[in-house]
Amino acid sequence: AQTVTQSQPEMSVQEAETVTLSCTYDTSENNYYLFWYKQPPSRQMILVIRQEAYKQQNATENRFSVNFQKAAKSFSLKISDSQLGDTAMYFCAFMKRRGSQGNLIFGKGTKLSVKP
Amino acid sequence: EPEVTQTPSHQVTQMGQEVILRCVPISNHLYFYWYRQILGQKVEFLVSFYNNEISEKSEIFDDQFSVERPDGSNFTLKIRSTKLEDSAMYFCASSETPPGTGDDEQYFGPGTRLTVT
Repeated sequence: AQTVTQSQPEMSVQEAETVTLSCTYDTSENNYYLFWYKQPPSRQMILVIRQEAYKQQNATENRFSVNFQKAAKSFSLKISDSQLGDTAMYFCAFMKRRGSQGNLIFGKGTKLSVKP
Repeated sequence: EPEVTQTPSHQVTQMGQEVILRCVPISNHLYFYWYRQILGQKVEFLVSFYNNEISEKSEIFDDQFSVERPDGSNFTLKIRSTKLEDSAMYFCASSETPPGTGDDEQYFGPGTRLTVT
């Protein structure tokens, strides 16, 4: 069975600074996807970034980038130039590629507060 | 931008009652999902649904649960006889393409908070 662990329940960062959210996972699968979802207060979860395990290059989306370490089963999210709108819960998630029917496995989330 | 919508936003029900949670997925999406999050715990997968059939279900999705796409727009989750431990936030999601393909991003609704008393 796959598990996803986010060891930081809460974090805070000053506006314009950089913050890194940690995520580790456990799986025996070789091909899979990893995701970071953002859930702003009272709003729906939206996809921030995804990484395909067979790609060595780390995914980036504007100010968001990941550090994917497959051997260590680590998938951290770096937010550069933090903005007040980045305040949200961030969920790390895993989905196996083979035989998947869309079953996303989530971590418990990290609550990020960006302070002015 | 199209969004997944869910109604009601909050439902309070008594133990043993049936509840139906409603979702309207994005109109051109064909793959549908339900997840739940008990307060303070992880978001957990319940079920995926495609072509009027369940594709995959978790251990949580027992005989008390059912899903249906009664018409071309709604996707519902029914809990037949609610228990106290069914109290949770229930999220619906939809995707355009099959899981594991390039455009399979799951778009989530805002959730329905179910409180069983």
